Amino acid sequence: EADIYQTPRYLVIGTGKKITLECSQTMGHDKMYWYQQDPGMELHLIHYSYGVNSTEKGDLSSESTVSRIRTEHFPLTLESARPSHTSQYLCASSESGGQPQHFGDGTRLSIL
Amino acid sequence: SQQGEEDPQALSIQEGENATMNCSYKTSINNLQWYRQNSGRGLVHLILIRSNEREKHSGRLRVTLDTSKKSSSLLITASRAADTASYFCATARNTGTASKLTFGTGTRLQVTL
Repeated sequence: EADIYQTPRYLVIGTGKKITLECSQTMGHDKMYWYQQDPGMELHLIHYSYGVNSTEKGDLSSESTVSRIRTEHFPLTLESARPSHTSQYLCASSESGGQPQHFGDGTRLSIL
Repeated sequence: SQQGEEDPQALSIQEGENATMNCSYKTSINNLQWYRQNSGRGLVHLILIRSNEREKHSGRLRVTLDTSKKSSSLLITASRAADTASYFCATARNTGTASKLTFGTGTRLQVTL
């Protein structure tokens, strides 16, 4: 089993709040990713990182930001949550590019 | 536009039957991967097939890749109720970054007793 953890699993919060979704992995992977997935739909890459202090925007534009200060930690932040941010957010990591990704169980975010 | 499209969108079979899912993509790839997602969970990697491979097996899974048709298929033999999940293909492209995966739309598989 992959060792990648996301917290919280579920979050219901009001509009305008600042939110940080946590993602940690213990595999020492350099590559980490954030995906957004609406129920029953495909995954869209919103952020990725190739290592410490390296972050890039993904294929889907997102108002969220990420940071990578430590190899094992890749948090995602929304400065001011809106109902349009309601979705599931999945974090993943891999040894190298294009290789199998290990996923956390996701955070289901609901903005009221 | 999305890289991968899968069909069928949903598939319902009985336990013991085989399930076949198809994936089509649009650009050249480095490899193609299949993942499973149980309801409310993250994705689990099942199998990876490289662009120079045509077929690969892993337990009850058989994956084929036809790069001339830009398509792949996943066959699950002797299905079980525990195979009920969504299945996604993902392509790793031949680009400068060569790192990102693009996921298909997924096939929802229901295996009934």
